Amino acid sequence: KAGVTQTPRYLIKTRGQQVTLSCSPISGHRSVSWYQQTPGQGLQFLFEYFSETQRNKGNFPGRFSGRQFSNSRSEMNVSTLELGDSALYLCASTRQGGTDTQYFGPGTRLTVL
Amino acid sequence: KNQVEQSPQSLIILEGKNCTLQCNYTVSPFSNLRWYKQDTGRGPVSLTIMTFSENTKSNGRYTATLDADTKQSSLHITASQLSDSASYICVVSALSSGGSYIPTFGRGTSLIVHP
Repeated sequence: KAGVTQTPRYLIKTRGQQVTLSCSPISGHRSVSWYQQTPGQGLQFLFEYFSETQRNKGNFPGRFSGRQFSNSRSEMNVSTLELGDSALYLCASTRQGGTDTQYFGPGTRLTVL
Repeated sequence: KNQVEQSPQSLIILEGKNCTLQCNYTVSPFSNLRWYKQDTGRGPVSLTIMTFSENTKSNGRYTATLDADTKQSSLHITASQLSDSASYICVVSALSSGGSYIPTFGRGTSLIVHP
């Protein structure tokens, strides 16, 4: 079956702009989590969505937001981009969350100039 | 503050040799510990998941151990292969008051396997 897909794979934006990233989970998976990965901070948890509801949230400013649709696809939005937002954004899906095996997508590489 | 520390930061071994990676954590209340393998430019791939009651979990040549009393975990790789060259990330999740899981990531161990 198809894995987790993320679009776009690469993105270049300028400071102050906003960006929307998309994640399509594995069929049948209802939980989608988002992560930011940078060389300086490593992997950090952004938020988790389950059945269209945000179930958990990491320690990121309100500029970072997300949503999940009825088909479990999820989007992540970053407003008023800063240089420090340059990172690899990963999403992962599981059937229910919790201790289920988590499957990651290939990520979206965001560069903010 | 929840923290996950991994050691060593990097490791170079010869193909065919064994190695052990370490993960120490201060995460409370503990829910589960995962090990991931991440190849350069790709998303992490799950290797093992252990809950409080499990102290060993294997996945092929990968064996993870968990000592919940000392809050330590290790990942042992047997008979290393060139394809094992990657970053290995330890993730420890806490159970929130709302019943969801909050993950804390280690910085990873970069493993290089030489022929």
